[in-house]
Amino acid sequence: GAVVSQHPSWVICKSGTSVKIECRSLDFQATTMFWYRQFPKQSLMLMATSNEGSKATYEQGVEKDKFLINHASLTLSTLTVTSAHPEDSSFYICSASLQRSGSYNEQFFGPGTRLTVL
Amino acid sequence: LAKTTQPISMDSYEGQEVNITCSHNNIATNDYITWYQQFPSQGPRFIIQGYKTKVTNEVASLFIPADRKSSTLSLPRVSLSDTAVYYCLVGAQKTGRRALTFGSGTRLQVQP
Repeated sequence: GAVVSQHPSWVICKSGTSVKIECRSLDFQATTMFWYRQFPKQSLMLMATSNEGSKATYEQGVEKDKFLINHASLTLSTLTVTSAHPEDSSFYICSASLQRSGSYNEQFFGPGTRLTVL
Repeated sequence: LAKTTQPISMDSYEGQEVNITCSHNNIATNDYITWYQQFPSQGPRFIIQGYKTKVTNEVASLFIPADRKSSTLSLPRVSLSDTAVYYCLVGAQKTGRRALTFGSGTRLQVQP
């Protein structure tokens, strides 16, 4: 259980186009999802926190108008990279928070989406 | 969030035990210590979590001294498939609703 999927697993697009990445919690409901970005040989950097039914909270330096996040249901969050440019090429990873019985939550990560902008 | 410091890289051979130490001098009283593993082009995978003393599961052990200012991830008898980046994280919740802060991680290379 507790599986998170992402689609697509990789995408190549031309500069100036928009790309949508989906993150789904397959067997649980996630009120909170997170979007991370990882450049080659670097660590994961948080981009935004996505809460179902409300606006996402973006980290400093992340343009909310460029990286549109929609968390319309408890099992789906989407990240749209608008007007993508080569510098947006990166590995995008989402995670979903699962509340266990009791008070604590666990995070489960998706497999990531490799975006290459030509 | 407490900052963590890990070796950038480590090398080992198949069958050996690997110990990766993480320093977290500013750990708070309610912080847990969590380790994740990440293979190339994959999302991180939870390995183990602990608060104090020793925790063991089917893949690793986590040793935490009494002052909790450091922790050691122990991988018994590594294989080639253990080649990955290992991240030590410290946080107030058990990987809960708050986002995780990843440090630089330790790149483990296992040789045949």
